[in-house]
Amino acid sequence: AQTVTQSQPEMSVQEAETVTLSCTYDTSESNYYLFWYKQPPSRQMILVIRQEAYKQQNATENRFSVNFQKAAKSFSLKISDSQLGDTAMYFCAFNYNQGGKLIFGQGTELSVKP
Amino acid sequence: ETGVTQSPTHLIKTRGQQVTLRCSSQSGHNTVSWYQQALGQGPQFIFQYYREEENGRGNFPPRFSGLQFPNYSSELNVNALELDDSALYLCASSSGGGSYNEQFFGPGTRLTVL
Repeated sequence: AQTVTQSQPEMSVQEAETVTLSCTYDTSESNYYLFWYKQPPSRQMILVIRQEAYKQQNATENRFSVNFQKAAKSFSLKISDSQLGDTAMYFCAFNYNQGGKLIFGQGTELSVKP
Repeated sequence: ETGVTQSPTHLIKTRGQQVTLRCSSQSGHNTVSWYQQALGQGPQFIFQYYREEENGRGNFPPRFSGLQFPNYSSELNVNALELDDSALYLCASSSGGGSYNEQFFGPGTRLTVL
């Protein structure tokens, strides 16, 4: 069975600083996709960044980057220059092309403090 | 471009009743996925519809059923409601029935079962 684990239920960071959210997953598949989603207090989930497992290069989207360690089955999210608007629940998710099924972790609640 | 919309926003039902939740997909998208998000948890995949056919199903009983219409909007029906069905129900639309295509989420329907 595929599982996704986020071991940090809550984190906080000062505005303008850098924070890293952790995610590990378990799968026997060789090709799959990994995602980080953000769910602000208003509830609408939005995609932050995604990574294809066969690509060795870590994905980057502006202030957001990932550290993808395939052998260790680890997929952490780094947020640089944190902004107040980054305050949200962050979910790590996994998919291996089984009918579009996204498997989510439990989430990490991130608070950015002024 | 119109995003994903869901109705109603909130709903209160009693145990044993039936409920229908609705989702309008984003313009140009032919795939809708449904997720159940219990309080403090990550979303759980219910099923996906691609071009009006079920394209994958999670670990939910048959009393959870769905439908997709020719305009690609979708309904989620839940029969014989149980207290544990209380959750935020999210729908997500995407183009194509695969896994890598970004899923765009709606704001959700908050269902409370008393």
